Order: sequence, then structure tokens, then C-alpha cells
Amino acid sequence: DQQVKQNSPSLSVQEGRISILNCDYTNSMFDYFLWYKKYPAEGPTFLISISSIKDKNEDGRFTVFLNKSAKHLSLHIVPSQPGDSAVYFCAASEVTMSNSGYALNFGKGTSLLVTP
Amino acid sequence: DAGVTQSPTHLIKTRGQQVTLRCSPKSGHDTVSWYQQALGQGPQFIFQYYEEEERQRGNFPDRFSGHQFPNYSSELNVNALLLGDSALYLCASSLWLAGISGANVLTFGAGSRLTVL
Repeated sequence: DQQVKQNSPSLSVQEGRISILNCDYTNSMFDYFLWYKKYPAEGPTFLISISSIKDKNEDGRFTVFLNKSAKHLSLHIVPSQPGDSAVYFCAASEVTMSNSGYALNFGKGTSLLVTP
Repeated sequence: DAGVTQSPTHLIKTRGQQVTLRCSPKSGHDTVSWYQQALGQGPQFIFQYYEEEERQRGNFPDRFSGHQFPNYSSELNVNALLLGDSALYLCASSLWLAGISGANVLTFGAGSRLTVL
């Protein structure tokens, strides 16, 4: 049962333009959301996160927006650069009790290609 | 500062065999999690260890087991390998207290690529 969904397997954007990657989730208990970037032959690298008490978080060229009522989040990259070409994973975790551990639920990823 | 290191990077096994994968967490981290990433899929949570105990487990059979050592390093063991166990196995480390507070940011290693023939 896929609780985090990334419905676009791939996205192609021209250098300098905005890249928008989307993610939907079904579990209303999720309270923390993350984006990871993955290059071939490397592990996923943390990019940016957002808590459920916020609706926007910015870090340089990267902004994540959270719409809790729609159970939707998006990652905006402005301006896009060729080095941003990678697979982007959306992930979410839910409220945990102390000592019970925590897990990330990942989407299937969106492959972003930024062309010069 | 060394990040998360995993070994071996690649290995090939046959059905029915057993495999052990190893992970050293990022310096300063005390919690280790294991994820399985099949081709074309996102990482799936296997289990998480803290203070040498399994704290949470995903939907994986008992053939998957793990261990955490006093130096925080960890092993993932898979018995009676099936063809479907072929995947990239990712180890991730984090700080237990940060995760409990809600900031569940994991640092991942490059993974161990397991092929079962």
C-alpha cells in the first residue's frame, strides 16, 4: 500500500526555468516531510524538509510547499541547473511515541532532467 | 568526516543462500536504519536499531534480521535468499533524539547491491 505517491516518473526542464516536483500522501498521521535527491551509484542525499505545522520552507533555490488539506506537497527549484538532474524522492514520517523508532515512507521518485 | 559506509558494494548470491551486509554510521550518530530499494521503486523500510535493540520494523519477513553493535555499527542478515531479494540495500544513520523530536532526517550510505541468481 503506497502511502506516498509521486505520479510523475520523469520531468524535463530547461536550464534557468522552474522545476516543480509533486507528491501526494494518504496517511493523515504524517507530520514531517522530506525531499531527497539521488544520483546514480550514490545514496539518497537530504535536500529539504518541512514540518506539518508549516506550509512553506525555503533553502536557497529550493522551496517546499505543504498543503495539508489536500495531502499534497511540492518541491520548487528556481532556477534549475544541469547539476540538479537526478532522481528526487518524496518521503514522510508519522508521529511516534518515544522508544518506538521512526521510519520514512518514500515515493517511487521523479527523474528530473535539466537541459542546457 | 566520514559519512555512512557500507560493505560490500556489490555481491552475487544464489537462491537459498544467506547474506550479511555491514554498515558504519556517520560519526556522532547512534541510530541505524535499513532500507531495501528494488529497481524502479523508492526505498522501503526494513527496520531500525537504537541501543542495540530493534525499535521498529517494516513489513519484511523474519528471514530479514539485524544487529547493532556497541560502536553503533550494524549488520543486516538475510536468510534463504529469494530472487525477489535482489535489490539495493541502503543503510541510514541518524540521531535518536532528533528523530523522536520529529526531525527525522536520515543520512544514507551508497548501498550494497545484491543480486540473487
